[in-house]
Amino acid sequence: DAGVIQSPRHEVTEMGQEVTLRCKPISGHDYLFWYRQTMMRGLELLIYFNNNVPIDDSGMPEDRFSAKMPNASFSTLKIQPSEPRDSAVYFCASRGQGDEQYFGPGTRLTVT
Amino acid sequence: DQQVKQNSPSLSVQEGRISILNCDYTNSMFDYFLWYKKYPAEGPTFLISISSIKDKNEDGRFTVFLNKSAKHLSLHIVPSQPGDSAVYFCAASEGADGLTFGKGTHLIIQP
Repeated sequence: DAGVIQSPRHEVTEMGQEVTLRCKPISGHDYLFWYRQTMMRGLELLIYFNNNVPIDDSGMPEDRFSAKMPNASFSTLKIQPSEPRDSAVYFCASRGQGDEQYFGPGTRLTVT
Repeated sequence: DQQVKQNSPSLSVQEGRISILNCDYTNSMFDYFLWYKKYPAEGPTFLISISSIKDKNEDGRFTVFLNKSAKHLSLHIVPSQPGDSAVYFCAASEGADGLTFGKGTHLIIQP
């Protein structure tokens, strides 16, 4: 199994630009999670889906952030417009029948 | 308000000795606890977990202990090996919700 796949691995953009992060969960997993890691706040949950339906988006920081899961094998996290304080590592994770979540390698986002 | 706390940002242990990483939580609704290991530029990797109905779970060199009354859990690694050097995150969940993570402990295994 290829594990959770995220793209791009690195993204550098200018303030005000739209950023789209992508995630392909492990096949057969019906939960998908988006996390953000910063020095100040550590790893924090942004949003999660069950069977492609958003269940809890209370961690999404602002309306500039949105996430979609159009099908069981793909999800996007979009930031529009991006700001320097959005610079962080964004992780996607998926979970199947067990309680363990499996994480992707992350996308390091830098907004200048 | 930090619901999961790892009070030691770093820990240095000699190779072959026991490493003990600690974690405290405040939310009594948490019913599942996990430890993740993270190397630089990689995502967290699942290590071991424990349900709130148990007080101990063992997997090879790794053992997790849960003290519900104290809202405390610990991860024991014995014997510690150089490849164990990494950042260890304690995490907790309530039902099927997402994970709440601690800030991590950087474990350094000295040769």
